[in-house]
Amino acid sequence: SQQGEEDPQALSIQEGENATMNCSYKTSINNLQWYRQNSGRGLVHLILIRSNEREKHSGRLRVTLDTSKKSSSLLITASRAADTASYFCATDPGSARQLTFGSGTQLTVLP
Amino acid sequence: KAGVTQTPRYLIKTRGQQVTLSCSPISGHRSVSWYQQTPGQGLQFLFEYFSETQRNKGNFPGRFSGRQFSNSRSEMNVSTLELGDSALYLCASSLNAALETQYFGPGTRLLVL
Repeated sequence: SQQGEEDPQALSIQEGENATMNCSYKTSINNLQWYRQNSGRGLVHLILIRSNEREKHSGRLRVTLDTSKKSSSLLITASRAADTASYFCATDPGSARQLTFGSGTQLTVLP
Repeated sequence: KAGVTQTPRYLIKTRGQQVTLSCSPISGHRSVSWYQQTPGQGLQFLFEYFSETQRNKGNFPGRFSGRQFSNSRSEMNVSTLELGDSALYLCASSLNAALETQYFGPGTRLLVL
């Protein structure tokens, strides 16, 4: 089973609205990363948050991490049509030496 | 710096054939990881190479193999292709470890008929 699970699986909003997607994981982690993937292309790294951090910002992105609940959220403010993509969280669970990706949230921003 | 490049971008093969995919990492990056992405299984880790050595391997059959050259370029090979191998194969590089920020290439889309 996957370490990270995103919720919701799909999200559709109007341009200008905020989009929030969540990621839950099962084991302790050192850091959590968020990636974006435009249709059928490679992933683009958005932000990394370490286990001792609670919140991080990058432009219109805000990421929170709650290690007690083993969950993270990604907030995109003032969304644009260009934000339409799939968003994945990635964790480094336990003793694994590679990232494990969640199943992703498909975000559609309607103009 | 130039990004991660992958060749070819698209490939059509038939069952039983073999295929070799190539990946050139960002200059200075020593870790190269490969992932398989399918609609049903999502993104799955195949293996990681560092300094020409396979350092980590995912849960894939031995038909999937790879190698890394002294210039950090990497290839992966799939032998005896099966229909289920149809996928987007993504290569990612990082400075030193597969746990760090990954920089992905555009992928190779493989279709097995």
